[in-house]
Amino acid sequence: DVKVTQSSRYLVKRTGEKVFLECVQDMDHENMFWYRQDPGLGLRLIYFSYDVKMKEKGDIPEGYSVSREKKERFSLILESASTNQTSMYLCASYVGAGNQPQHFGDGTRLSIL
Amino acid sequence: ILNVEQSPQSLHVQEGDSTNFTCSFPSSNFYALHWYRWETAKSPEALFVMTLNGDEKKKGRISATLNTKEGYSYLYIKGSQPEDSATYLCAHNAGNNRKLIWGLGTSLAVNP
Repeated sequence: DVKVTQSSRYLVKRTGEKVFLECVQDMDHENMFWYRQDPGLGLRLIYFSYDVKMKEKGDIPEGYSVSREKKERFSLILESASTNQTSMYLCASYVGAGNQPQHFGDGTRLSIL
Repeated sequence: ILNVEQSPQSLHVQEGDSTNFTCSFPSSNFYALHWYRWETAKSPEALFVMTLNGDEKKKGRISATLNTKEGYSYLYIKGSQPEDSATYLCAHNAGNNRKLIWGLGTSLAVNP
């Protein structure tokens, strides 16, 4: 079974802090994604990556950056956390084309105080 | 741009009832349609990925159909059980551009 592991289930940070969310997958998937999920807004794509060192902006990249130095790890960085970034963050990965299912981590519920 | 619509937004049924939800998506440039189940405190889990017009897929009591010409998919649950309570998400992939466009989901509650 594919395992997508997110570093924290719950995280509390302060406004202005630099925050790192880590995601690791163990199935050699080339495609990795970061989403945030807010009530009434569904899953919104922040960034994705289809190869090491490659990244593409999703629908809401402002205030975020990403890093993919190794194929199995995709990091989401909040450069200077703000309260409107309080949310559930989900990492996903999949192999090949868009006709393959995405595999999700358990999510990180991030609170910015 | 959110152009995947799911209905109803929420649904309450009794144990044993059969139910169905709808996912509507743009019919042009279709590549794949995904269904996921998201239970509270768990991660979304893929149910089906459908690619061909007329596709029907089944997993236990859950099945799905696909009409790419008119741009809709139905998800059916036969004999709902409390453990079917979850949010059911559909997502559309157009032109194999690696990204999915997600609907807002249908929240199902099955009362024992």
